[in-house]
Amino acid sequence: SQTIHQWPATLVQPVGSPLSLECTVEGTSNPNLYWYRQAAGRGLQLLFYSVGIGQISSEVPQNLSASRPQDRQFILSSKKLLLSDSGFYLCAWAGTDTQYFGPGTRLTVL
Amino acid sequence: KNEVEQSPQNLTAQEGEFITINCSYSVGISALHWLQQHPGGGIVSLFMLSSGKKKHGRLIATINIQEKHSSLHITASHPRDSAVYICAVTDNFGNEKLTFGTGTRLTIIP
Repeated sequence: SQTIHQWPATLVQPVGSPLSLECTVEGTSNPNLYWYRQAAGRGLQLLFYSVGIGQISSEVPQNLSASRPQDRQFILSSKKLLLSDSGFYLCAWAGTDTQYFGPGTRLTVL
Repeated sequence: KNEVEQSPQNLTAQEGEFITINCSYSVGISALHWLQQHPGGGIVSLFMLSSGKKKHGRLIATINIQEKHSSLHITASHPRDSAVYICAVTDNFGNEKLTFGTGTRLTIIP
């Protein structure tokens, strides 16, 4: 069966520090992968999506970047975090009849 | 870009009541998703539909493509149904990206 992992579950980082969030998928190959963010009190927003290794599309200009070094691995990064990067980050992949979401990472930037 | 609107934003009801949450969108889509987000943040996909109606247990989702409108119904509501319900759409470009509504916070009182 398909499984999606994210880590860490929670993270508290100071402003200006780097960030790396990892997402891995099991039970499927060549999935479309997505990073979403939910800022406090706001709706979900698509940040990046990838249709294959090394292929990244950015949806909004921001302080973040994404990479897909392997077929089932999707990484969200930042060189210097901003306060506005705080939020709940979700990784997802598109199955044939639904999207599957990871458990999420709650990031607090202080 | 698709604009997705949900109503109501907040809904409080007594246990056993019939619940309806509405979603409308502005541009043609390939599919519409209903998602459930519990207080911890995790998201579960309830339905993906492109036409007609789907039923799963006490949940029913309908979509009217011509009117660009969908409804999620919960019959015999229960306190465990308390959650945020999110409508999301995928466009017609085949990349399965989701555009989200702002969500409906449902509270069922025993």
